[in-house]
Amino acid sequence: GAVVSQHPSWVICKSGTSVKIECRSLDFQATTMFWYRQFPKQSLMLMATSNEGSKATYEQGVEKDKFLINHASLTLSTLTVTSAHPEDSSFYICTRTRSSTDTQYFGPGTRLTVL
Amino acid sequence: DAKTTQPTSMDCAEGRAANLPCNHSTISGNEYVYWYRQIHSQGPQYIIHGLKNNETNEMASLIITEDRKSSTLILPHATLRDTAVYYCIVRVGNDYKLSFGAGTTVTVRA
Repeated sequence: GAVVSQHPSWVICKSGTSVKIECRSLDFQATTMFWYRQFPKQSLMLMATSNEGSKATYEQGVEKDKFLINHASLTLSTLTVTSAHPEDSSFYICTRTRSSTDTQYFGPGTRLTVL
Repeated sequence: DAKTTQPTSMDCAEGRAANLPCNHSTISGNEYVYWYRQIHSQGPQYIIHGLKNNETNEMASLIITEDRKSSTLILPHATLRDTAVYYCIVRVGNDYKLSFGAGTTVTVRA
């Protein structure tokens, strides 16, 4: 069965609004969660690494003030896309781990469409 | 992480074995080879991984050459549901990050 869940599975919002996406680890307490995004016909790109109880680490080119990540518990990380614009429309996917040797299992993804 | 090279696309016949190659000529001794696949509009699905020995699980087999510069993922009896993009990734053993390339688009035809 699924070990990572995401909610919602899809969302449509108006430009300028904020959208929150949840990622839950269902089988163990995850010290680290990762957020990826995937634009149409492209591969996955790592956006940020989220560690429980500390600030997220963002990849180069990802605006930390636009993509707010909260990892308040060991089973939940949230990604908030603030003031969303059409160019933020993408497929957002999370994964989690508790150690560097864990195999990473991905969530089902969230499709964001900004009108 | 070492870069990988995969064919852009390949077709295979339903019921036949599908052999997906991957080159990783700059792989280091502590880097694992991972395979994931992504079916349209879904999150990536873990398939298999290995360091230097060949591996087999219920989904596939992974054959790694002795020099570790290339590997082959084998889907023993391809079905239409195996149509997906397959990603070969090398990952340092103590590094969390997975770097996805373009992958191989595999189309299984009836």
